[in-house]
Amino acid sequence: SQQGEEDPQALSIQEGENATMNCSYKTSINNLQWYRQNSGRGLVHLILIRSNEREKHSGRLRVTLDTSKKSSSLLITASRAADTASYFCATDAAGANNLFFGTGTRLTVIP
Amino acid sequence: EAGVAQSPRYKIIEKRQSVAFWCNPISGHATLYWYQQILGQGPKLLIQFQNNGVVDDSQLPKDRFSAERLKGVDSTLKIQPAKLEDSAVYLCASSPALRQFNEKLFFGSGTQLSVL
Repeated sequence: SQQGEEDPQALSIQEGENATMNCSYKTSINNLQWYRQNSGRGLVHLILIRSNEREKHSGRLRVTLDTSKKSSSLLITASRAADTASYFCATDAAGANNLFFGTGTRLTVIP
Repeated sequence: EAGVAQSPRYKIIEKRQSVAFWCNPISGHATLYWYQQILGQGPKLLIQFQNNGVVDDSQLPKDRFSAERLKGVDSTLKIQPAKLEDSAVYLCASSPALRQFNEKLFFGSGTQLSVL
């Protein structure tokens, strides 16, 4: 399967701490995207990083991509209770006609 | 700007019954997707439309699932007859891109289906 896998499956931290989530995938990609999903809601796009990029920032988010290891990480700095959600990576595999979502990391930020 | 609209929000049916979901994408978005998200898993693509044509339906269980996109705008997804394993959240997403996945997707809130 080309589906990515996030690690850890669940993460619980105190407000103000940083949260790091990792994503591993199996095939070559054109780009990798991260999405957030609040409970009972749809997914919201956070950031897209292309295969020729190594790092990207957006506000408190920092994404890295290592194509040699087929992995990506999402760092949320200075976490807030409102960051509590599930986070998914999604890969646009080269030559595929699909956007493959991972299994997600459930983040809980304790106030 | 209005987001992707989906209805109903929740649906409970018995197995072997039929059900239909409706999606209205963001105005002007060429590409529309239906995803199935089983509890605890990531979304899985069922079907992708570009305008009113099907681009990819390879993961759609065609013996029971059908979908259409009328006039390249609204879309409906139907299940007939439903099975217990169809219990999931059905998400609709749209994108302005004609090239499938170079850009981000905009998701609706989904329809949560429970098959009893």
